[in-house]
Amino acid sequence: QKEVEQDPGPLSVPEGAIVSLNCTYSNSAFQYFMWYRQYSRKGPELLMYTYSSGNKEDGRFTAQVDKSSKYISLFIRDSQPSDSATYLCAIWAGGFKTIFGAGTRLFVKA
Amino acid sequence: SQTIHQWPATLVQPVGSPLSLECTVEGTSNPNLYWYRQAAGRGLQLLFYSVGIGQISSEVPQNLSASRPQDRQFILSSKKLLLSDSGFYLCAWRGLLNNNEQFFGPGTRLTVL
Repeated sequence: QKEVEQDPGPLSVPEGAIVSLNCTYSNSAFQYFMWYRQYSRKGPELLMYTYSSGNKEDGRFTAQVDKSSKYISLFIRDSQPSDSATYLCAIWAGGFKTIFGAGTRLFVKA
Repeated sequence: SQTIHQWPATLVQPVGSPLSLECTVEGTSNPNLYWYRQAAGRGLQLLFYSVGIGQISSEVPQNLSASRPQDRQFILSSKKLLLSDSGFYLCAWRGLLNNNEQFFGPGTRLTVL
């Protein structure tokens, strides 16, 4: 079983839709979770990070962690064409190790 | 503010040729530095990380090597490239005052022919 699993998509939605992006992980000891956005041929940029369980909101973006299910989510409200990118979940595994999901490609159609 | 640079942006090299990719960070001191390779649909593979000048840890045995000659400079090298070395190479840093977030450079797309 992979330490982090993420559906690669692609996910295509109309402009204005609510988008839900998800990852599952295997190690219940993981506590620090991140989401990165990566535009084509660019480096990933950090969107949000959360510690332990619960929700964190930043503008149109909400990160959610459900430790009981080992499930993390990123919600995008009022999605825009400029949100079209690959979204990677990431989990700090201790020390210098961060585990990245394979990324979900999102297309928001105008 | 901190910035991270990588060059070149793209590179096409023949099999068996040498490689040198450079990464520099501005606006921070004594960062942790990382080299990743990203293959399509496979996430980020950690290749090397460094906690200081001359200190390199390798995560994956292969024909690549890394060096850190200065505090904010990280170099990825190879003496002889293989076809399988093609990919998108990303440098990242983490500051001592950050939590566990890493910040990435723009990447170098390497094609080995």
